[in-house]
Amino acid sequence: DAGVIQSPRHEVTEMGQEVTLRCKPISGHNSLFWYRQTMMRGLELLIYFNNNVPIDDSGMPEDRFSAKMPNASFSTLKIQPSEPRDSAVYFCATLGAPNYGYTFGSGTRLTVV
Amino acid sequence: GESVGLHLPTLSVQEGDNSIINCAYSNSASDYFIWYKQESGKGPQFIIDIRSNMDKRQGQRVTVLLNKTVKHLSLQIAATQPGDSAVYFCAETDTDKLIFGTGTRLQVFP
Repeated sequence: DAGVIQSPRHEVTEMGQEVTLRCKPISGHNSLFWYRQTMMRGLELLIYFNNNVPIDDSGMPEDRFSAKMPNASFSTLKIQPSEPRDSAVYFCATLGAPNYGYTFGSGTRLTVV
Repeated sequence: GESVGLHLPTLSVQEGDNSIINCAYSNSASDYFIWYKQESGKGPQFIIDIRSNMDKRQGQRVTVLLNKTVKHLSLQIAATQPGDSAVYFCAETDTDKLIFGTGTRLQVFP
C-alpha cells in the first residue's frame, strides 16, 4: 500500500495564479480530509468528504478555495487566485472506517510570492 | 511539514528518560482521541489512540492516559530515544472530523 499520495511535493507560484493540489487516497478509504498547516495556526481542517460527497467545508477560508472529489481515487484542492497568505503546507488525510486509521500524506508545501 | 510555531511549547529530555506530553481538549462530546508524531518534512504519523470509555492504553514504549473529568490527555514515552524527537499533536473527534491541538516539540539530547 503506497499510502496517501499527494502532488506536487512543492509548489512555488506567483500571486494571482491558480494552484491545484492533488491527493490520491488509500484504496477503500471512504473519507478524505484536507488540512492546512501554518506556523501561526497549526493544523486546520479545511474540508472533508465522505463517499466523494463534501460533508463539511466550514474550514475553507474564502471563496478562492474550492475542493472536489470526482471519484473515490482522486481529490483536488484549488486556490484561485492565490495570495501570499495562502503559503502553507497542505495535507490530505484519509479514513478507512469510523474512528480508525486516519492516514496522512506527505503534504504539499505551497509558497505564493 | 512545518509545524514550528512561535508559541509551540517545547519539552527537552535526556536520552533514556521518560517523557510526558500533555494536552487539554475542548469538546466534552469527543469520544475518540489520537496522538500523532510529526517529523520535519513529513505528515503526521499515528502513534496511539484511545476511546472515551477507557482511561489508559498502552503501546510499544508509549502510553496514553485520558482524564475526561478535566478533559486532559497525556502521552508517555518510555526510554526516550533520539528518534523520538519531533512535534507531537493530540487530536480529538466526536464525528469524523479530527481536530488537532497546537502541538508540543520534543527534543531529545544525549
